[in-house]
Amino acid sequence: GDSVTQMEGPVTLSEEAFLTINCTYTATGYPSLFWYVQYPGEGLQLLLKATKADDKGSNKGFEATYRKETTSFHLEKGSVQVSDSAVYFCALSVGRDDKIIFGKGTRLHILP
Amino acid sequence: EAGVAQSPRYKIIEKRQSVAFWCNPISGHATLYWYQQILGQGPKLLIQFQNNGVVDDSQLPKDRFSAERLKGVDSTLKIQPAKLEDSAVYLCASSLRTTSGGAYNEQFFGPGTRLTVL
Repeated sequence: GDSVTQMEGPVTLSEEAFLTINCTYTATGYPSLFWYVQYPGEGLQLLLKATKADDKGSNKGFEATYRKETTSFHLEKGSVQVSDSAVYFCALSVGRDDKIIFGKGTRLHILP
Repeated sequence: EAGVAQSPRYKIIEKRQSVAFWCNPISGHATLYWYQQILGQGPKLLIQFQNNGVVDDSQLPKDRFSAERLKGVDSTLKIQPAKLEDSAVYLCASSLRTTSGGAYNEQFFGPGTRLTVL
């Protein structure tokens, strides 16, 4: 079945470091891909999305490129801030009713 | 614009007791979702409503879980009786989608209800 695999956390980085969180997917159709973020005490928020191969989603300095050939959607940011500390979920949606399948999440800690 | 509202935010019960969660979606959103998020895992869809009809409840443990959205707006999710493994955060989300198909409609999530079953 459709699934998402993302790197396990926690990931701990110093402020201004480069961030990569790996995500790969398995899907029978042509999925849309997403990164969601969950800040402490808050609900899930859509961070960025890409709906077809080679699309790049970007928001708040984060980027991810939909790579069909490697079935990947890795999240990157050039210089992280303490405020980026959160749990990040890679997800996909296939089909007509917007059903989302989430990865297990990666907790990110940014040290000042 | 008000977001998705959920209550209560926290609930502690003993096993075999009953519990109910309430969700009020964003005004005008036709589709409503309930997810279960167990600690250390991603959210898992339990049930999806479109207006007051069920679109998908294939992952809902129907022997103990039930959900309704009687007037196509608010929704309640009930567990009766609760088990230890039901300890999780229950998330409600809503989206604009009014019919199947077409471009993806973003889901907006509420803050969740954290359930602890002792």
